[in-house]
Amino acid sequence: EAGVAQSPRYKIIEKRQSVAFWCNPISGHATLYWYQQILGQGPKLLIQFQNNGVVDDSQLPKDRFSAERLKGVDSTLKIQPAKLEDSAVYLCASSPPGRNQETQYFGPGTRLLVL
Amino acid sequence: SQQGEEDPQALSIQEGENATMNCSYKTSINNLQWYRQNSGRGLVHLILIRSNEREKHSGRLRVTLDTSKKSSSLLITASRAADTASYFCATPERGSNYKLTFGKGTLLTVNP
Repeated sequence: EAGVAQSPRYKIIEKRQSVAFWCNPISGHATLYWYQQILGQGPKLLIQFQNNGVVDDSQLPKDRFSAERLKGVDSTLKIQPAKLEDSAVYLCASSPPGRNQETQYFGPGTRLLVL
Repeated sequence: SQQGEEDPQALSIQEGENATMNCSYKTSINNLQWYRQNSGRGLVHLILIRSNEREKHSGRLRVTLDTSKKSSSLLITASRAADTASYFCATPERGSNYKLTFGKGTLLTVNP
């Protein structure tokens, strides 16, 4: 079974530029999560999708961050414009339906550096 | 806000020794999970323990949960160099089984 795919793996941009990350969850996983992990910290949930609907985006800085999952499969996370403090690893995770939904499967992450 | 906090922040041991990491949390939970993160990689789910369980085993891993003290421990026995990683506990937020809050993690270094 293929794992959660993310691209790109690394991205370097200058502040005020835009950037987009892509995630393809494990096949059949209805729930998809985007996390931000700053160096030395644990992951912080940005947004949670159930199929193509948003379940929770309470910690998403909506003035600059946006995310979509139009067809209920893959997802994109965008930052526009980026700030220095957005430098972090962006992790995508998915979870299966049913009683095993509590377990999340993570992708390798996209490491973003904002200069 | 951070729900779970791991202790210690860093731990260095020799191969073959046991490693114990602790996690404390603040509010009542339905379950607690442990994840591992190798350098520069995504997180890997290790084990989930439910609030009605006191102890759970998976291979060389042993997890305990004390709901009265709001704490959990992860024991790795007979450690290997490949166990070098950061270990995070994760707890669901109140009212949700699926919105996880992670601690800052324990960085474990196993020296060959």
